[in-house]
Amino acid sequence: EPEVTQTPSHQVTQMGQEVILRCVPISNHLYFYWYRQILGQKVEFLVSFYNNEISEKSEIFDDQFSVERPDGSNFTLKIRSTKLEDSAMYFCASSEEGRITHEQYFGPGTRLTVT
Amino acid sequence: AQKVTQAQTEISVVEKEDVTLDCVYETRDTTYYLFWYKQPPSGELVFLIRRNSFDEQNEISGRYSWNFQKSTSSFNFTITASQVVDSAVYFCALSDYGGATNKLIFGTGTLLAVQP
Repeated sequence: EPEVTQTPSHQVTQMGQEVILRCVPISNHLYFYWYRQILGQKVEFLVSFYNNEISEKSEIFDDQFSVERPDGSNFTLKIRSTKLEDSAMYFCASSEEGRITHEQYFGPGTRLTVT
Repeated sequence: AQKVTQAQTEISVVEKEDVTLDCVYETRDTTYYLFWYKQPPSGELVFLIRRNSFDEQNEISGRYSWNFQKSTSSFNFTITASQVVDSAVYFCALSDYGGATNKLIFGTGTLLAVQP
């Protein structure tokens, strides 16, 4: 069964460093998402992406964040200058279409630790 | 406004007990989807169920059952004869037409601890 994959599973970085989290969505999916979960808290929507553009973003997704689909398979989340409060689990998801009738499939997550 | 409330922060039961996890949602839309996810200690999100707003039939899957009541905006989840492997955080989530895309709005989760 096709699945969303994410690399790395755990990333440790120093405050102020740039970090790129990578995701490989399911191959025929067109809509991609990033969610964040700070330890012990709820999962929060960050951004959705379609046709090489951001479709929707939350107030969390500020100028420090960017997303890209650099090739036909990867979908990346970049944090330009990490802060301690960026430490969280980051989940990638994908869906065939962007309507609510279409289910999102989640990856296993990348745990980001900023020291 | 879209909102999902899981009032139970933590629940502790003894194995073989039945347990119900509550979920109350808010949405202005008449068409929406509700979800339950399980998050074990390993951290991944395990999809359990997706239910659309037009299908109010209760669903049973093995030891799991879901009670959807539009009149009270609730989508509760019951585990029958709980097992230690059920110990996890459980999230309820909502997707509606309130945004540009089908993002999920999650509740704060309920930590279920099943004691042997």
